[in-house]
Amino acid sequence: GENVEQHPSTLSVQEGDSAVIKCTYSDSASNYFPWYKQELGKRPQLIIDIRSNVGEKKDQRIAVTLNKTAKHFSLHITETQPEDSAVYFCAATLLGSASKIIFGSGTRLSIRP
Amino acid sequence: SAVISQKPSRDICQRGTSLTIQCQVDSQVTMMFWYRQQPGQSLTLIATANQGSEATYESGFVIDKFPISRPNLTFSTLTVSNMSPEDSSIYLCSALRDSGEKLFFGSGTQLSVL
Repeated sequence: GENVEQHPSTLSVQEGDSAVIKCTYSDSASNYFPWYKQELGKRPQLIIDIRSNVGEKKDQRIAVTLNKTAKHFSLHITETQPEDSAVYFCAATLLGSASKIIFGSGTRLSIRP
Repeated sequence: SAVISQKPSRDICQRGTSLTIQCQVDSQVTMMFWYRQQPGQSLTLIATANQGSEATYESGFVIDKFPISRPNLTFSTLTVSNMSPEDSSIYLCSALRDSGEKLFFGSGTQLSVL
């Protein structure tokens, strides 16, 4: 089955700087890679996703890149703001089969004022 | 995004008892799942709730401990049976929407077992 590894487990950046979170996956058949943000005491919220036929996707300050050959994908947050502080989870799945989404271990991002 | 209602939002239970968590989605969805999130940890998939048939459980989770129902395309329940303190966790219902692609979560049930 799929296994997703995520790094780093904690990340602290200065407000205004960029943050990068990296994930690797094991199943080369996986074709969908979502990212979730979870604030303290709240449910995970989908913030961006990418399919395997796309190498990069951007939504305002957030971007995700995918390297299928290396089986890794990354989340990039630019011009970080205090409200970006949260736990971020990457995930992977093969859509169209069982479609069960497997999550990485999470990254706690802190933005220093 | 889908509206997923989950209840109860929290409960404190005695060892050996059972708790049933309900999940209601605002429209028909292709797939529903149940996840567990222990404090400070990631989301672990318990099972896929199959409409009209037995749930598909992940390694380490069994039907006797976590019976699941899904009588229709918008509703599912998860029961945590014969609870022990190790079952204390947040349980999250989730559903695939938007052509079976995007996964949305309910607000979660925080369970504490004494």
